[in-house]
Amino acid sequence: NAGVTQTPKFRVLKTGQSMTLLCAQDMNHEYMYWYRQDPGMGLRLIHYSVGEGTTAKGEVPDGYNVSRLKKQNFLLGLESAAPSQTSVYFCASTRPRETQYFGPGTRLLVL
Amino acid sequence: DQQVKQNSPSLSVQEGRISILNCDYTNSMFDYFLWYKKYPAEGPTFLISISSIKDKNEDGRFTVFLNKSAKHLSLHIVPSQPGDSAVYFCAAGSNAGGTSYGKLTFGQGTILTVHP
Repeated sequence: NAGVTQTPKFRVLKTGQSMTLLCAQDMNHEYMYWYRQDPGMGLRLIHYSVGEGTTAKGEVPDGYNVSRLKKQNFLLGLESAAPSQTSVYFCASTRPRETQYFGPGTRLLVL
Repeated sequence: DQQVKQNSPSLSVQEGRISILNCDYTNSMFDYFLWYKKYPAEGPTFLISISSIKDKNEDGRFTVFLNKSAKHLSLHIVPSQPGDSAVYFCAAGSNAGGTSYGKLTFGQGTILTVHP
């Protein structure tokens, strides 16, 4: 039982490049979330999903897209990376009325 | 508009003493609150929670107090241990309307350092 895993752990991008961050959970959770953590800002919700095939915008969705083709996976895409997207990205999952379980994070540096 | 605020970026305490971390919120729709703990290079892990129908919840060395009228909650750690040194995030959620889907609003975090 691995819980929530994230791939990759660290990535360096050049401005304008694209990439996809993968989140996987093996707890059969319905809800999944993508957050970004920046100094002094806490964790801010980017996008979330309440089930396979459904996604919704969070607090800071601009510049990101998501997909949830399978219940266990939640992908976060950056189509054209910008230095402002340099951050640590966390994925989380949960069931209704339970606490969220977080992955270990992906550190992204955009030059 | 920061709906959940942790106004102390850092806190330093001696081992064995009490650590008190504070959190304020503005949204009256929040009806449950959580504290998460985060070590460097790891994801946040759940520590303790409290429903708005309670004013106190205790779990071992950790106690969370909720003052709804002041829109304030605090986390007490007694006694503090060096292994408690981490970033602590306060978070709030709402079950109202059935459409919150477990979404949480987080504070900025407080770095706790417990000195031996």
